[in-house]
Formats: sequence, structure tokens, C-alpha cells
Amino acid sequence: AQSVTQLDSQVPVFEEAPVELRCNYSSSVSVYLFWYVQYPNQGLQLLLKYLSGSTLVKGINGFEAEFNKSQTSFHLRKPSVHISDTAEYFCAVRRRSNYKLTFGKGTLLTVNP
Amino acid sequence: NAGVTQTPKFQVLKTGQSMTLQCAQDMNHNSMYWYRQDPGMGLRLIYYSASEGTTDKGEVPNGYNVSRLNKREFSLRLESAAPSQTSVYFCASSFLSGGGNYEQYFGPGTRLTVT
Repeated sequence: AQSVTQLDSQVPVFEEAPVELRCNYSSSVSVYLFWYVQYPNQGLQLLLKYLSGSTLVKGINGFEAEFNKSQTSFHLRKPSVHISDTAEYFCAVRRRSNYKLTFGKGTLLTVNP
Repeated sequence: NAGVTQTPKFQVLKTGQSMTLQCAQDMNHNSMYWYRQDPGMGLRLIYYSASEGTTDKGEVPNGYNVSRLNKREFSLRLESAAPSQTSVYFCASSFLSGGGNYEQYFGPGTRLTVT
């Protein structure tokens, strides 16, 4: 079975600062990796996904993530955050052989003025 | 194209009452899922339906039942609600495989409080 660990439950940053949200996964087989964002009182929206190929994946709203197979990590980054990026971010993993997603517990990103 | 819709948006139940949460998708997806979200726990899979006519238990199925009514609709039933079932419930759908479309699409959620 696969598992996902989001290393920080909360990340406060100031507006226009860079941010990195960390995600590590464990799986004995190849996986697909995802980052979802949840704005307050809303459902989850896909930010980006890694299926194969280039290890640097670009998503919506200026976010990107890098897949590192040797470190089993998929950290999310943004060079300059906005107030509107305040949300909860979830890392998720799916084995290539089935369709079930396993989610991390989430990281609450708070962007302060 | 409404995506994934859920009804109701909010519900308050007394312990022991029953209710059904409804979910529908219009994206012609094969697979549908029910999750619950609790603070600090992330999303946990309750039940899923890989394709029309099949359902399987997820990580936390106790106290719930599901029905895959047709390809579009997947309902979640609480037969005898308990305070531990106070949560936000999300429905999601996806293609089963192929085409690179592996992501799940989520509904807006149902906030359920059991008193």
C-alpha cells in the first residue's frame, strides 16, 4: 500500500515570498503524483500532476513541483505567493495499477500582507 | 457542464437518524468515490465504485452504505447517524484509465453535523 506524508501542517509566509510545501510518499511500485488545492469552504481542485517524463511539472496559478524518485518526494513550490494563495494544499499518490488516491493530511498555507 | 454536484450542501441530524447524500457527475466518468474530510486527517476514502454495477469498501466504510444508481449517480447512506460521523463529505469521479486523465474531480462537499 502507498502512503503520503506532508511534512508541515501549517506554513505561514508573507506576500511575495517564495514557498515550498513538502511531500514525501512511499510505494513499492510506480505511482502517479498530484497536488490539489482547497480554498475555504470549497471542494478540491487539481493544481498539477506528475504522470511520467519531465520531473519538473508546472501547474496552474504559477505553482510547480519536482518529482524526485530517489528521495521519493514531490515538493510544491511557488517563487512569489499572493494573498489569494491562502488555502489548504493536499499531496496525493495513485498506484499506476489502480485508480484509488491516497491523500496526505494537508498543509495550510497562510499568506500574510 | 456542471462537473460533480452534491446535495445537500448542509445537513444537521440527530443521533440515530438516517439520510442519503446524493452525488451526480456529467463528465461520463466510469469511477466515483466518497470521501470524508476531518481536521488534521486529510481525505479518507469511504467507498468507491470502479464502474457502474460495482462498489467496494475504502479505508473507513463502517456506518455507511452506497448505491451506484447508474453511471452518473452515486449515493452515500447513513443508516443510523452517530456524532463521529460529523464531517465534510466529498464525492469525486474519474476515468478508470487511459488517456492520461487520471485525476479525480471533486464536488463542493456536504457539511454534516450529527448532534
